[in-house]
Amino acid sequence: SQTIHQWPATLVQPVGSPLSLECTVEGTSNPNLYWYRQAAGRGLQLLFYSVGIGQISSEVPQNLSASRPQDRQFILSSKKLLLSDSGFYLCAWSVLRGGRRVLPETQYFGPGTRLLVL
Amino acid sequence: GQQLNQSPQSMFIQEGEDVSMNCTSSSIFNTWLWYKQDPGEGPVLLIALYKAGELTSNGRLTAQFGITRKDSFLNISASIPSDVGIYFCAGHLNNAGNMLTFGGGTRLMVKP
Repeated sequence: SQTIHQWPATLVQPVGSPLSLECTVEGTSNPNLYWYRQAAGRGLQLLFYSVGIGQISSEVPQNLSASRPQDRQFILSSKKLLLSDSGFYLCAWSVLRGGRRVLPETQYFGPGTRLLVL
Repeated sequence: GQQLNQSPQSMFIQEGEDVSMNCTSSSIFNTWLWYKQDPGEGPVLLIALYKAGELTSNGRLTAQFGITRKDSFLNISASIPSDVGIYFCAGHLNNAGNMLTFGGGTRLMVKP
């Protein structure tokens, strides 16, 4: 079965410091990968998605960036964090091509990383 | 961008009561998904709906893909305290690649 991991679970960082959040998926090949941000008590905002190694699409212009160095690894980074970067960061995956009952638009989420920028 | 209107925004109910929430849009979706998010955790997929009119159950949960393809509802029967959380609907538009449009969430609180 497929599993998705996020690291770290919680992070407290000063303003202006760099950031690196990691997401890894097991049990599937060539997944689509997604980064979302969720502000406290709010909905999900798509930040980046990737359909393959080195292929990154950005949905929202900001000081964050994403990279996919390996098929099942997705990294969210920043060179200098802002206070407004605080939030709950979620990674998700979906299959590249649908099966009988699982279509590519069905996304499965990781446990999340809570980031607090002070 | 596209919007999904999810209602109600929050519900505070007594244990044992039935719950109903829905999502509506002016756009036609070809997939509807319902997720539950426990505090401090990632959303977990509850039910996926792929055909207009489809009615699917998962234990005490029942969801339907509206016949117009512009809405979906989720019902929870005989609520229990562990049903507490935020429920999100998500829809997939035909021309949206693999992107989902999410509703704003329904926060459910259950009083024992």
